[in-house]
Amino acid sequence: QLQLQESGPGLVKPSETLSLTCTVSGGSISSSSYYWGWIRQPPGKGLEWIGSIYFSGSTYYNPSLKSRVTVSVNPSKNQFSLKLTSVTAADTAVYYCARGDSSGYSEKIDYWGQGTLVTVSS
Amino acid sequence: DIQMTQSPSSLSASVGDRVTITCRASQTISYYLNWYQQKPGKAPKLLIYAASSLQSGVPSRFSGGGSGTDFTLTISSLQPEDFATYYCQQSHSTPKTFGQGTKVEVK
Repeated sequence: QLQLQESGPGLVKPSETLSLTCTVSGGSISSSSYYWGWIRQPPGKGLEWIGSIYFSGSTYYNPSLKSRVTVSVNPSKNQFSLKLTSVTAADTAVYYCARGDSSGYSEKIDYWGQGTLVTVSS
Repeated sequence: DIQMTQSPSSLSASVGDRVTITCRASQTISYYLNWYQQKPGKAPKLLIYAASSLQSGVPSRFSGGGSGTDFTLTISSLQPEDFATYYCQQSHSTPKTFGQGTKVEVK
């Protein structure tokens, strides 16, 4: 059974960089059928797609965050990561890592991490 | 960006009720539409993909329909474990935007 687990600081100061890692277990991150991504959810609000990375190395980011976000993968550790620079209080959210399945005729997010709350505050 | 609009934002229903949630895309997305269920403090769970395909392990009381810009999620007979928030998501183009959510509450 595939499992994803987010890790990283729960508190980040304004203007600093938010860094999170997602460790994948029960399956390989190096598969052309899947992509790996990040979604966030501010407290009490809806879901916002942040970005994703495919096996090919191609990355796709939400234009609203593109200038500040980087998603990368470390196949040797079966991990992928999120970096979000110059954070503000508006970046406070639960951050989910997730697997996307693009093997069929449509893409879907079929596995999610449990989520980790990141608070931006001094 | 493609905007996804769900209606209603919330609804009250009883166990056994038939519930339908609507999702509208700001431009045509063919059948590239997924539905997720989220319970408090938990990650979303995939219910329906490609507008009408039931994800493995999801009860058959959940069904999806529609194409183009208008989509529906139907729960044929609401069960106690179905009280949750439901989100649609388009997978047609980046960014893969979500609807604002529909909270299904106990009547």
